[in-house]
Parts: sequence; structure tokens; C-alpha cells
Amino acid sequence: AQSVAQPEDQVNVAEGNPLTVKCTYSVSGNPYLFWYVQYPNRGLQFLLKYITGDNLVKGSYGFEAEFNKSQTSFHLKKPSALVSDSALYFCAVRAVFGNEKLTFGTGTRLTIIP
Amino acid sequence: GAGVSQTPSNKVTEKGKYVELRCDPISGHTALYWYRQSLGQGPEFLIYFQGTGAADDSGLPNDRFFAVRPEGSVSTLKIQRTERGDSAVYLCASSKEGGTEAFFGQGTRLTVV
Repeated sequence: AQSVAQPEDQVNVAEGNPLTVKCTYSVSGNPYLFWYVQYPNRGLQFLLKYITGDNLVKGSYGFEAEFNKSQTSFHLKKPSALVSDSALYFCAVRAVFGNEKLTFGTGTRLTIIP
Repeated sequence: GAGVSQTPSNKVTEKGKYVELRCDPISGHTALYWYRQSLGQGPEFLIYFQGTGAADDSGLPNDRFFAVRPEGSVSTLKIQRTERGDSAVYLCASSKEGGTEAFFGQGTRLTVV
């Protein structure tokens, strides 16, 4: 079985400061890892993914994430937070081989304080 | 279309009624997924189609839930004898053949009263 843990329900960061949203995962074999963002009354928007190769992946809106196989983590980061980054963030995993369903974490609400 | 389209955006129904939720995937996408998102939770997998066939329906909670994709494009999620616990946002996503990321629609908010 595959699973995702997002240990923080809420993260508050001052505007202009760096931000980190944590994610750890469990999957059989190698993972595909994803971050999605959800704004109020909107669907999930794809931010970035790790498939293979470089452990640091860059995505939309200046976000990046670092894959760490030994720690089974895929933390989302941004060097300088904007108020517009305030939203609900979901980490998701699927196995490279096997079924194609995504398993999501419970989400982290990110609030950027002006 | 440009993105995944779901209709209706909101549906209120009485307990015990039958509902159908529609998903129109991105043109050319062969894979289609249904998820359910309850308040304060992440999306939970329901069913996955590859073409016309359901490749994995392990997430359907019980036999009141059924989904079809007869022509390999539009999909309908059908819920019989709705219960208050079925109230949630139902999300549809699609991906292209060989693709890795799924693209989501805006969801249908189902409220059972």
C-alpha cells in the first residue's frame, strides 16, 4: 500500500521569507511524486513532479521540491514567499510500476503573512 | 476543450435519490480518474479508466457507486440511493497516454440533504 504524510496542517510564513512544506511517502518500488495546489473553490492545480534524475525539481510560480530517497521525503520549497502563495498544498505519490492511482496527503494550509 | 470539465459544479439532492456526475477530459487524454474529497481531507481515489475500461475500481466505497466511460472520452459517475455521507467534492482528472501527471477539473460539490 502507498501513503503520504504531511505532518503540518498549517504553516505560517512572513512575506519574503523562505517557505518549506513537508511531505514524506511510502510506496513499493520507485516513486513518482507530485505537488498540487488548491485555491478556494478551485480544483487541484499541478505544481511540479519528480520522475527521475535530478533530485531538485523546479515547477510553477517559483516553487521547487527536493527528492530525498533515504528519508523518503519530497519537501516543497520557495526562496521568497508571496501573499498570493497562500493556499492548500497537497503532496501525492504513485508507484512507477503497478497501478496508476495517485495517493494524496491530507494537505497543508500555507498562509503568507504580509 | 482546454481543460477537464465537470458538470454540474454543484448538486443538491435528497437522501435516497440517484445522481449522475459528468466529466469531460482533456481532448486526447486516454486515462481518466475519479476522486472524492471530503472536507478537510485530501482527495481519495475512486476509479481509474484506461480508454473505455475500468483498470482499477478498488476505491469505489460500495455497490451504490458506479462509473462508465463508454466511448473512451466522457465519463459519468453514478451514485444510487444517496446517503448524507456521500456529500463531498467529486474530482475528475485525466492524463495522456504515457503521461505521469494528472490534470484535474474544478470538481462537483455534492450535497445530500
